[in-house]
Amino acid sequence: SYELTQPPSVSVSPGQTASITCSGDKLGDKFVCWYQQKPGQSPVLVIYQDTKRSSGIYERFSGSNSGNTATLTISGTQAMDEADYYCQAWDSSTWVFGGGTKLTVL
Amino acid sequence: QVQLQESGPGLVKPSETLSLTCTVSGGSVSSGRYYWSWIRQPPGKGLEWIGYISYSGTSNYNPSLKSRVTISVDTSKNQFSLKLSSVTAADTAVYYCVRETVVVPAPGDWFDPWGQGTLVTVSS
Repeated sequence: SYELTQPPSVSVSPGQTASITCSGDKLGDKFVCWYQQKPGQSPVLVIYQDTKRSSGIYERFSGSNSGNTATLTISGTQAMDEADYYCQAWDSSTWVFGGGTKLTVL
Repeated sequence: QVQLQESGPGLVKPSETLSLTCTVSGGSVSSGRYYWSWIRQPPGKGLEWIGYISYSGTSNYNPSLKSRVTISVDTSKNQFSLKLSSVTAADTAVYYCVRETVVVPAPGDWFDPWGQGTLVTVSS
């Protein structure tokens, strides 16, 4: 079965740029979405179709996807961005999620 | 704006059937633009897609759960439902109902919005 691999954790200082990766075989040939989940809350769509920001999402969030890796980039990271982030893609008639990355803003 | 709300028992005994309903407000399950999905999250773990259904009854399930899952839709009540049979402790999770926006021809769909989620515990 298809797998999406994310780093378990990423740390960033406030105001710096955070990059969260999602790796999978030929992932660049697929569309990738990204979701943000804060403790005790439901996931929220951040990025869809690789690069499109969902309504209400700050401009500091951006996405890219090429080769075997999709990346969620947060520019000028703020404390409020501390959360778990999940990537998602479609393969063999199944939706697959990455294992999630905990973003810590130190 | 559309909102989704899960309902159902929070405790299910092993080997029994888990049954949840999602009520959609502010929108219609009869829209051909969307699929209606269930996704779950075991405590402290990641997300797992369970399956989806369309307004016309077209469904698709995660192969790992396919033998135990049934998702149905009731357009008259603007609801869709999940049944998961023969549950074990491994099925303990927060269950989310979610709207999936369908994009053709490529699978460029996305999940938004999500319900608040309901914790279902499998225990005797």
